[in-house]
Amino acid sequence: GAGVSQSPSNKVTEKGKDVELRCDPISGHTALYWYRQSLGQGLEFLIYFQGNSAPDKSGLPSDRFSAERTGGSVSTLTIQRTQQEDSAVYLCASSLDGNSNQPQHFGDGTRLSIL
Amino acid sequence: AQTVTQSQPEMSVQEAETVTLSCTYDTSESDYYLFWYKQPPSRQMILVIRQEAYKQQNATENRFSVNFQKAAKSFSLKISDSQLGDAAMYFCAYRSATSSGTASKLTFGTGTRLQVML
Repeated sequence: GAGVSQSPSNKVTEKGKDVELRCDPISGHTALYWYRQSLGQGLEFLIYFQGNSAPDKSGLPSDRFSAERTGGSVSTLTIQRTQQEDSAVYLCASSLDGNSNQPQHFGDGTRLSIL
Repeated sequence: AQTVTQSQPEMSVQEAETVTLSCTYDTSESDYYLFWYKQPPSRQMILVIRQEAYKQQNATENRFSVNFQKAAKSFSLKISDSQLGDAAMYFCAYRSATSSGTASKLTFGTGTRLQVML
């Protein structure tokens, strides 16, 4: 597709379950970012992938959160043993590379609701 | 660490009028980028305008313009001739000009909800 694609669009799950969120970046983009947007808040950085380099995980809030990027393209954000405070919109963005002059293009996000 | 502050949770404007959204930021860096993003109910973050800190000239994009005051660390967005389609959340964001690691992330403010009245 032409833009960043995220799935599912919405996810409702019970507390304690594991969830996987998927991001398909724009073709050819080597940089990929995950952000979290809690209700009424701005976006909070979670993790950054650039090419084959080790990801920058400095924004992950706990060890229940992890992310992978296979083949330098699709990324999966996994949240284990979900808690109610994990309820948020999870947004993925990609850019051509990690240079600061490259704009980040966002997907529509996944709204995660923990019951 | 950099911080971005948007002190106006909500703003409203009459259609065809002009509105200014405020943003201040804190950084010890001299070179960086500032952005305004629009987020409609579809949730997608749409880039509205971008300003490079080393440029003194204020960025303009059609009806959107900024007032960048580097010394005051202020970056306001002016929307002229407001339209119904401008109604959305607007986020101010900061990005370091350093292209390594976490420095390439965007740091966002908490947003301003803009309502456009008929």
